[in-house]
Amino acid sequence: EVQLVESGGGLVQPGRSLRLSCTASGFTFGDYAMSWVRQAPGKGLEWVGFIRSKAYGGTTEYAASVQGRFTISRDDSKSIAYLQMDSLKTEDTAVYYCARVKQGTQGAFDIWGQGTMVTVSS
Amino acid sequence: DIVMTQSPDSLAVSLGERATINCKSSQSVLYSSNNKNYLAWYQQKPGQPPKLLIYWASTRESGVPDRFSGSGSGTDFTLTISSLQAEDVAVYYCQQYYSTLSYTFGQGTKLEIK
Repeated sequence: EVQLVESGGGLVQPGRSLRLSCTASGFTFGDYAMSWVRQAPGKGLEWVGFIRSKAYGGTTEYAASVQGRFTISRDDSKSIAYLQMDSLKTEDTAVYYCARVKQGTQGAFDIWGQGTMVTVSS
Repeated sequence: DIVMTQSPDSLAVSLGERATINCKSSQSVLYSSNNKNYLAWYQQKPGQPPKLLIYWASTRESGVPDRFSGSGSGTDFTLTISSLQAEDVAVYYCQQYYSTLSYTFGQGTKLEIK
């Protein structure tokens, strides 16, 4: 079964850091670009960033709201994508989803994890 | 950034009737070199992650019922549910993936049963 499982969420104080993991199974992880999308409580979806597959350089792109604070990386040997979140702000409070980029589309997300909640509060 | 604006914000439709959701982008998401619209539609039910319904503006994802269809080109797009079923109650989002520097979602449309 194709699956994504996020972990690492929790309560963190403003200004602190947190690292989320997205563990993939059921497909060849290294062949796919991966993305992170977040959803604040009761709000809509906000794209956070993505990482291309190694075949396309493994480069990253980020939303302006997290540029310079968040870093996406990947370990293809472990089938894990990471979201390192530094200098967290209260407005970063959200459910964070990882999503697989559908091959051939550049940016449609065909597989999603169940999400992990991040609460930034003092 | 490309801004995606959906209308209406909420919609109530009777079972078996047609539901139509619109999505407008602030600039064209049609890539001229391949004549494809970089536009997707998602369905999100309460407590669940989003589910991909449509990509390339009109290509139905595998396993999605054929009552769901997407249309439009350039800046104006529509998601149509031809005959509303109870399980279609959800929030629907459009998303552009034309700009690889910044993907953006619409604000969402809440679909309910009348």
